[in-house]
Amino acid sequence: EDQVTQSPEALRLQEGESSSLNCSYTVSGLRGLFWYRQDPGKGPEFLFTLYSAGEEKEKERLKATLTKKESFLHITAPKPEDSATYLCAVRGPGNTGKLIFGQGTTLQVKP
Amino acid sequence: DGGITQSPKYLFRKEGQNVTLSCEQNLNHDAMYWYRQDPGQGLRLIYYSQIVNDFQKGDIAEGYSVSREKKESFPLTVTSAQKNPTAFYLCASTPRDRGLVTFFGQGTRLTVV
Repeated sequence: EDQVTQSPEALRLQEGESSSLNCSYTVSGLRGLFWYRQDPGKGPEFLFTLYSAGEEKEKERLKATLTKKESFLHITAPKPEDSATYLCAVRGPGNTGKLIFGQGTTLQVKP
Repeated sequence: DGGITQSPKYLFRKEGQNVTLSCEQNLNHDAMYWYRQDPGQGLRLIYYSQIVNDFQKGDIAEGYSVSREKKESFPLTVTSAQKNPTAFYLCASTPRDRGLVTFFGQGTRLTVV
């Protein structure tokens, strides 16, 4: 069964303190791994898509990487405005377009 | 501005009542989805539709119904058969290209009173 697990559930950082969020997945044939950012009471906002092991993508202070079993979202020198819940998802089987989500990591960055 | 519009933002339902959540998109996307989000859980798929006049059940379809009469619209009805409807509901859509990235609306928070 396809499954996504994110860790840690919650992470508190001081402003400028770099860290990484983990997303472990089991899927029969990866057809895309997605990272989203979600602010409280809002819908998820798309950040990155990764398709093959070794792929990396960057956007401002965020960098996403992918291996055959997991993905990392690296946050370099975070700022308070990076505080949010970060969601990881993989494309489900078949041609439905369904996404299978992890439970998310809630990041708090203190000034 | 192109996007996915969900309404209302907040909705209150009495016991035994059916309520309908609206979702409209002007992105010309073919596929549309409804997800449910509960605290501490990942998003779970309720229903999806890949073309007009066709839709399929997701993982937690019991107590919900949908229609897809127009490409732009995919309303979700939460029926009285849904025993635990309090949750955050998210509508999403996916284009044929752009790497099949799924985009989300801003959500509707449904509370049973």
